[in-house]
Amino acid sequence: DAGVTQSPTHLIKTRGQQVTLRCSPKSGHDTVSWYQQALGQGPQFIFQYYEEEERQRGNFPDRFSGHQFPNYSSELNVNALLLGDSALYLCASSLFGTSGQETQYFGPGTRLLVL
Amino acid sequence: AQKVTQAQTEISVVEKEDVTLDCVYETRDTTYYLFWYKQPPSGELVFLIRRNSFDEQNEISGRYSWNFQKSTSSFNFTITASQVVDSAVYFCALSEVTTGANSKLTFGKGITLSVRP
Repeated sequence: DAGVTQSPTHLIKTRGQQVTLRCSPKSGHDTVSWYQQALGQGPQFIFQYYEEEERQRGNFPDRFSGHQFPNYSSELNVNALLLGDSALYLCASSLFGTSGQETQYFGPGTRLLVL
Repeated sequence: AQKVTQAQTEISVVEKEDVTLDCVYETRDTTYYLFWYKQPPSGELVFLIRRNSFDEQNEISGRYSWNFQKSTSSFNFTITASQVVDSAVYFCALSEVTTGANSKLTFGKGITLSVRP
């Protein structure tokens, strides 16, 4: 049973560039959430996708955008990169539900460094 | 707004010691869920446990146990007879019931646990 996978594992970009991160959910899951984890901090919720639509969004600017494909995989795009965007980007997958009990399973993350 | 506080930032113990990681949360909802995740140096968050707000029974899983007390808004995690492999960052997280979406997780800042041989 494949878990959540993310690519690439590491990425180095320069300020102003654009980046795309990818995530494949755990088998059987249909919902993907993205989190940003700065060094020494807890993960911060960016947004969540279900049925190819953004369902929830955290306090992140429009430079952060996403997409979900029919096979439930997802992309996170960040435009006009800033030094402060350097972080570990975590993807989590779950089975859709609104009870709050849905457990999110995380991938290994993509470490983004912006120079 | 929901908030999770993990006041301890770093804990260092010697192998076989017991250790308790504290978590205090804030929420206006009466229905919510609490989680603990472990993050080893590899970076992947590993799910440990989920509790709902209606179930205050303590839970034990091997060397791990959790104490949920609504009266103090706390959900503490104890590792008995710690091992070097327990060294990691541990996060407590909270989710609330939402409409039309899975609930987002609100995390604490994490506790770095170091277990020395």
